[in-house]
Amino acid sequence: GENVEQHPSTLSVQEGDSAVIKCTYSDSASNYFPWYKQELGKRPQLIIDIRSNVGEKKDQRIAVTLNKTAKHFSLHITETQPEDSAVYFCAASRRRDTGNQFYFGTGTSLTVIP
Amino acid sequence: DSGVTQTPKHLITATGQRVTLRCSPRSGDLSVYWYQQSLDQGLQFLIQYYNGEERAKGNILERFSAQQFPDLHSELNLSSLELGDSALYFCASNPTGENYGYTFGSGTRLTVV
Repeated sequence: GENVEQHPSTLSVQEGDSAVIKCTYSDSASNYFPWYKQELGKRPQLIIDIRSNVGEKKDQRIAVTLNKTAKHFSLHITETQPEDSAVYFCAASRRRDTGNQFYFGTGTSLTVIP
Repeated sequence: DSGVTQTPKHLITATGQRVTLRCSPRSGDLSVYWYQQSLDQGLQFLIQYYNGEERAKGNILERFSAQQFPDLHSELNLSSLELGDSALYFCASNPTGENYGYTFGSGTRLTVV
C-alpha cells in the first residue's frame, strides 16, 4: 500500500516568516494530495489540495507544490500568523473502484511565535 | 459546523465494554469514512461505506464493526474495549466516494478506563 512520510514533525517560525512542510509518497499511482489543518481538539479541515496533473496551486498565503517524478509534495505558508499555529497533515490517495482510502502523514505541529 | 454530525462528543467506558459511535454525513454525501486518531498519532483509516455498502477496509480490528443505514447515517461499533482503544474517532463524508477532499465531523473522544 501507500506510505506517506511527513517532515518535520515540529516547526517553529517567527510571525511573518514562511513555513514549509514536506511529504513524500511511495505509490506512483497516487493522484490526489490534500492538506488538512487540525487545531487542538478539533476536526481536521481541508485547507488546500492538488491533483497530479497540476504542479502548483495557490490560495492566498497557502501554496502546494507537487513533484511527481520525485514523489514529493510540499505545503508553503507565507507571512505566517499566530492563528496558523496547528497540526498540519498531508495525505495521498489514488482512485480505486474498490474504495478510496487516504493515507495520512504523521503530522507537523506548527508554532508561529508572535 | 461542517455538516457532518458525530455523537456522542465524549464517551468514557470501562475495559471489556461495547460502545456505538454515530455519524450523520453532510446532506447529499453518499460516502462515509471512519478514522481513528490516537494520542500523538496520525489519522488511521478504518473503513469506508458508500450508499450502504462497505467499499474499503483499512486497519480495522476484528473487535470493531461498522454499517451504513438506508438513511446514510453510519455507526461504528467497538467491542471488548481495551485501554489502547482510547482515541478520537472521526467520521468524514464526501458526495460520491471518489478520491477528493473529505469533510470531517468533530469527532468522538473515547476514553477506556
